[in-house]
Order: sequence, then C-alpha cells, then structure tokens
Amino acid sequence: SAVISQKPSRDICQRGTSLTIQCQVDSQVTMMFWYRQQPGQSLTLIATANQGSEATYESGFVIDKFPISRPNLTFSTLTVSNMSPEDSSIYLCSVARGQLFSHYEQYFGPGTRLTVT
Amino acid sequence: ILNVEQSPQSLHVQEGDSTNFTCSFPSSNFYALHWYRWETAKSPEALFVMTLNGDEKKKGRISATLNTKEGYSYLYIKGSQPEDSATYLCAFNSRTTSGTYKYIFGTGTRLKVLA
Repeated sequence: SAVISQKPSRDICQRGTSLTIQCQVDSQVTMMFWYRQQPGQSLTLIATANQGSEATYESGFVIDKFPISRPNLTFSTLTVSNMSPEDSSIYLCSVARGQLFSHYEQYFGPGTRLTVT
Repeated sequence: ILNVEQSPQSLHVQEGDSTNFTCSFPSSNFYALHWYRWETAKSPEALFVMTLNGDEKKKGRISATLNTKEGYSYLYIKGSQPEDSATYLCAFNSRTTSGTYKYIFGTGTRLKVLA
C-alpha cells in the first residue's frame, strides 16, 4: 500500500483566485493521478501526472485551468486556476502500483474539499 | 461514452440488517471491476478487484460477485454495523483492442447504518 497526504484538507476561496493542492506519497511511484468529485457526481479523472514530462489531461480538462507539477516521484501539485463556483469539489490524488495501466489498485489521498464563493 | 451506474444512490439500514447494492457497467472491453469504500474525511480504500466472470470475493462480512456477460456486480454486507457507514464506489476498468485502458467510477452508494 501507500500512504498519501494532501494539503490543504479543505479551503474556501473567492471567485477568480487560484488554489494549489499538494500531494505527498511515502514512497516513489510512477503513476500519479488527480481526480475531482463534484457534488452528486462520480469521481472524474482530471489528468495523469508524469514525472519529468507534461501531464496527460482527460477530455474536458485543460492545462491552463488545472496546471500540474510533478517534480519527483513522491510529490505532485494541482492548481485550480481562476476559480468559479463550479469548481467546488473534492479533489483527490491517487497513485497506482504496477507497470502497466492495468487492473491495479489505486491508493488515494484523503482529498481536498474546495468551496468557491 | 462509458457509463457506470450504481444503485441505490443511498440507503439507510438498521444495525444487524444485511444489504446489497449494484454496479452496472458496459459489457464490452471489460478488464477489471473494483470496489472501494470511502468514509467521510478519509481516503477511499480498495475492497476488491475482480477480473473473471463469476468471480466472488469476500472480506469479513463484505462480499462481491461479478457478471461480466451482463455487466453487473453486487456488493453484499452481512449483519451491517454502524462502522460500515460509508460511500461504496465501483470502478470499471476497461481495455480496448488498441490497448488503451480506462478507469471509470460510478457515483457511489451512500450507506448509513443506524444503531
């Protein structure tokens, strides 16, 4: 398993501002992911954070809105830029074990609960 | 578009009751089906990963079955306890013929066990 921490655990932010969420893992991992869960919705993958290269974004998510850094194999950040109330969500990072994007288990951080007013 | 549906959305049961809920997923490009348990303010925790049609997994009072031909999985909780209160998520892991993997979550079933 992996122990994952996220900061902050929650925040209330003003419209138009940006928030950077940090994800720290207790061991080196190749694959890190960022998800969000809007109220009443599924956990939705935002992007895969690749160490040493650009993040890979899912359809509907763009780098200008959700810039991601992955400076090493134990840490990543997600920034939610120019926030609007629609960005109010729980944001989670996760890591996966295994060589391939296959039937691995994911290990999740505790999440960051963001409210935008 | 891949849809993963869970039902019911939420339910309340009395302590000691047994309960079950459903995850429905596409029957094509199946690779694996995952169940997670997510308590408020904690990390989602992996319960089961199932890969074969007819798989049955068990962990304590919780068990799960898988039918890949018809595209559903059941999660059962026997003798529910208040500490079972959580959101139960399923995730459909697909693999296309071109080798692309996807991991799609359902919206979850929120279980509340009343003491």
